[in-house]
Amino acid sequence: KAGVTQTPRYLIKTRGQQVTLSCSPISGHRSVSWYQQTPGQGLQFLFEYFSETQRNKGNFPGRFSGRQFSNSRSEMNVSTLELGDSALYLCASSLGARTNTGELFFGEGSRLTVL
Amino acid sequence: GDSVTQMEGPVTLSEEAFLTINCTYTATGYPSLFWYVQYPGEGLQLLLKATKADDKGSNKGFEATYRKETTSFHLEKGSVQVSDSAVYFCALSPSGSARQLTFGSGTQLTVLP
Repeated sequence: KAGVTQTPRYLIKTRGQQVTLSCSPISGHRSVSWYQQTPGQGLQFLFEYFSETQRNKGNFPGRFSGRQFSNSRSEMNVSTLELGDSALYLCASSLGARTNTGELFFGEGSRLTVL
Repeated sequence: GDSVTQMEGPVTLSEEAFLTINCTYTATGYPSLFWYVQYPGEGLQLLLKATKADDKGSNKGFEATYRKETTSFHLEKGSVQVSDSAVYFCALSPSGSARQLTFGSGTQLTVLP
């Protein structure tokens, strides 16, 4: 079974640009979550999508947005990039049942550098 | 809000040494608790989990016990190997919601041969 796939793995942008990151979950998984990992703030929850609907959202500005498609693939977008947006963006998938206390399966991440 | 406090790193041990990484949490209700591991250049992998008080999670020689009275979930391994070198994250999820994790700051472990 293929794991969680994130593209691109690395990218460099300049301040003010926007970026779109993609995540393909494990087949059969309907929930996709996004996390930002930085040396200073650690791992922080961005948002979670289930069946094309945003179900939870972390404490990030509106420049961070996402969506999920009918095949469960997800994208996240960051507009008007700032230097502080440089981070590893991790996507995680799970079956998505509300009572699920099982694991999240993480991708290898997309490393964004903002110059 | 929920929070996880993890032992500061980095931790350097010799092979076959005993490992403890402390983790305490603050949360309402009965969260589920997790240890994730991140090897260099990779995403996070679940190492072990516990979903209720007194549960012991175990995997690959690692163990952690959910202690509600001390709000702790310390990670232990009796004999570490060089291949255990990685960053370890303690995390919790609120009752009934396994998909929004609150992570600790991570502990870098280096095991020397």
